[in-house]
Amino acid sequence: GENVEQHPSTLSVQEGDSAVIKCTYSDSASNYFPWYKQELGKRPQLIIDIRSNVGEKKDQRIAVTLNKTAKHFSLHITETQPEDSAVYFCAASYSGYSTLTFGKGTMLLVSP
Amino acid sequence: NAGVTQTPKFQVLKTGQSMTLQCAQDMNHEYMSWYRQDPGMGLRLIHYSVGAGITDQGEVPNGYNVSRSTTEDFPLRLLSAAPSQTSVYFCASSHPGRDYGYEQFFGPGTRLTVL
Repeated sequence: GENVEQHPSTLSVQEGDSAVIKCTYSDSASNYFPWYKQELGKRPQLIIDIRSNVGEKKDQRIAVTLNKTAKHFSLHITETQPEDSAVYFCAASYSGYSTLTFGKGTMLLVSP
Repeated sequence: NAGVTQTPKFQVLKTGQSMTLQCAQDMNHEYMSWYRQDPGMGLRLIHYSVGAGITDQGEVPNGYNVSRSTTEDFPLRLLSAAPSQTSVYFCASSHPGRDYGYEQFFGPGTRLTVL
């Protein structure tokens, strides 16, 4: 089955800095890669996703890049703000499949 | 729309007790899943369903049963609770993806403690 590795497990940045979280996946059939943000005590919520037919996707301060050859994808957050502090999860799934395989998460702390 | 709802929010059980975690969605999603979340482990798939009457096992199915008699509901049953089942449980639903996956919508979670 699919295996998703996520690094780093914790990341501390100063407000205004950029943050990058990286994930690798094992199954070359995977073609859908979402990123979820989870605040303390809350449910995971989708912040951005990318499908394997594109290499990059942006949404304001958030971007995701995908390298299918190397089987890795990354989340980039620019101009970080304290409210970006949360746990971020990457995940992968493939065509028509109903479930996701998650990475173990990255705790992002943005200090004012 | 209420989205995905779960009950109860919190539950404490004694070892050996059984219980059912409820999950319902009002988005007419065909796909529903149960995940458990443990510190440092991410979310791991327990069971999933691709439609009423169809269920399958995920990564960590032992000790859990599911059934799907309607599109809306997907209960998770703990047959004989063990301390190792102490966790936060999330139910999720999504549309089917013909070519690619689609966003999964999560419920608010149930925090379960087994003593």
